[in-house]
Order: sequence, then structure tokens, then C-alpha cells
Amino acid sequence: KQEVTQIPAALSVPEGENLVLNCSFTDSAIYNLQWFRQDPGKGLTSLLLIQSSQREQTSGRLNASLDKSSGRSTLYIAASQPGDSATYLCAVQVQETSGSRLTFGEGTQLTVNP
Amino acid sequence: DGGITQSPKYLFRKEGQNVTLSCEQNLNHDAMYWYRQDPGQGLRLIYYSQIVNDFQKGDIAEGYSVSREKKESFPLTVTSAQKNPTAFYLCASSVSTGRSRPQHFGDGTRLSIL
Repeated sequence: KQEVTQIPAALSVPEGENLVLNCSFTDSAIYNLQWFRQDPGKGLTSLLLIQSSQREQTSGRLNASLDKSSGRSTLYIAASQPGDSATYLCAVQVQETSGSRLTFGEGTQLTVNP
Repeated sequence: DGGITQSPKYLFRKEGQNVTLSCEQNLNHDAMYWYRQDPGQGLRLIYYSQIVNDFQKGDIAEGYSVSREKKESFPLTVTSAQKNPTAFYLCASSVSTGRSRPQHFGDGTRLSIL
């Protein structure tokens, strides 16, 4: 059974710092890996999706990498801002007998202090 | 604007009572999903539906029921058999359950026990 782990569970940094969030998964047979952002009491917003054949994706100050063979992904946030404070979740898409599904990690709660 | 609407935002359940959470989408998506999120944890899949009049159990279906009579609607009933229903419930939809079809999320319903 696929398991997804995120480290650290919580992170607090001063504004302007570059930071890395980590995600690992146990089964490398994935379609893709996604990073989501969740604000308190809200749903999920998709940030980046990396296909299994890709190594990285970039969007603005965000860069996500994928090493499928080692079961690892990182989300790099450059020049962090207080508005980046949120919970970041990674999820892998895997094939099931009835369609595909997402398996989520437990998230990293990020606080960026002004 | 197209999107996913969950209602109500907050819901309270009495002991022995069934409650139904609403999820409506106007994205013309075939696939819909229900997730449960407990504090400090990631999302766990309750049920998903690939098409009208069809649905499959996820990882934690016990104590829950769903129906998919219309393409745009996927209500979730939390039955009295669910002994620990207090959680944040998220609904999502995607074009299909096929590979790399991103899921779009609603803003969630928070269910509490009176």
C-alpha cells in the first residue's frame, strides 16, 4: 500500500528565507506527484504537478523536484513571504482497479514571520 | 464562475442522527470524490465516483454512504454507525479518474458532535 510522508510536520522561518519541504513515498509506480496549499479552514489549491517522467516543475518562487526511483520530492520556496504561511500537502496519483486516486501526506505547516 | 460548492460550512450532529453533506459542481466533471481530514493529518479517501450511478469505496468508507444520481451532485451521508465523525470533509472533482487529471476542491464542511 502506498504511503506518503512529509517532513518536517511544522516549520517556522523569518521572512526572506529560502526553504525546502520534503515528501517521500513508498511505491515508485506513480503517475504523478502534486503539491497543494491549504489555508486554515479552506480547501486545497494545486501548486505544482510533476509527471512521473519529469524531474521538476517551476511556478514563480516555487520549484518542485521529483526523484521517482528514490521515492522523494522536494518543494523549494524562494524568498519566503508571510503570505506563504499555510499547510503544504503532497500527494501521489496511483492506478487502482477502478480508475486512479490520490494518496496524501500529512502536510507541513509553514509559518513565515515578518 | 465554475467551481465546487460545499454546504453547509459548519454542521452539528446529535448522537444517533444521520446527516448529509452537500457537494455540487458546475465544471462538467465526470469524477467526484469525498475526503476526510483530521487535525494535523492529510486527506483520507472515503468514496469516489467515476460516473453517474456508479461509486466505489475508498480507504475509510465504513459509516458513510453516497449517491450519484446527477452528474453535478455527490452528497455524502454520515450515518450513526460512524462513531467518530468529527472532522473536516472535503469534496473534489476531476474530468475523469484518468492519469494526470487534476482534482479541484471545494472549501469543505466542518462536522462536529453536539
